[in-house]
Amino acid sequence: EAGVVQSPRYKIIEKKQPVAFWCNPISGHNTLYWYLQNLGQGPELLIRYENEEAVDDSQLPKDRFSAERLKGVDSTLKIQPAELGDSAVYLCASSLSGQNTEAFFGQGTRLTVV
Amino acid sequence: GENVEQHPSTLSVQEGDSAVIKCTYSDSASNYFPWYKQELGKRPQLIIDIRSNVGEKKDQRIAVTLNKTAKHFSLHITETQPEDSAVYFCAVNTGFQKLVFGTGTRLLVSP
Repeated sequence: EAGVVQSPRYKIIEKKQPVAFWCNPISGHNTLYWYLQNLGQGPELLIRYENEEAVDDSQLPKDRFSAERLKGVDSTLKIQPAELGDSAVYLCASSLSGQNTEAFFGQGTRLTVV
Repeated sequence: GENVEQHPSTLSVQEGDSAVIKCTYSDSASNYFPWYKQELGKRPQLIIDIRSNVGEKKDQRIAVTLNKTAKHFSLHITETQPEDSAVYFCAVNTGFQKLVFGTGTRLLVSP
């Protein structure tokens, strides 16, 4: 069974340009997360979905970040416009619904804004 | 919100020694405490977890202990091997599937 799949693996863009990341969770996992991981730091939650509903987006910078999970499966995270400080690894994770279930991470997208 | 502190930030041991990483948290309602291992350039992967109704859990060379009263939990790795070298993250589930991660511990096991 495939794990969480993210694309692209790497992305280099100029500041002020838009960028989008894509995530395909593990089949059957209703919960999907987007995390931001800066170098040498732990993952920080940006947004969590239960099916197609964003149930926790309190940490998402809504002036430039947006996310969607149409049909409750794949998800995209967008940044527009990107800033130099957005350079980081963006991790997608998924889990079964319910409390205290393991979150499985994708390989991440490493974004470099120049 | 939940605050998770993790120590030490780096840990160097000789092969065969034990390693201990500690985390403290602030929200007494937290009920799930996983540990993730992340090798360089790879995804975080769960290595062990513990729930609030259990004080200790062991899986081969890895064990986790939880003290809910003191709000801290620890990862113990015995008989360390070079392949244990990685960054380890503790995490706390505050309820409703919200995982808050610690800042990570870089473990280096020297042969």
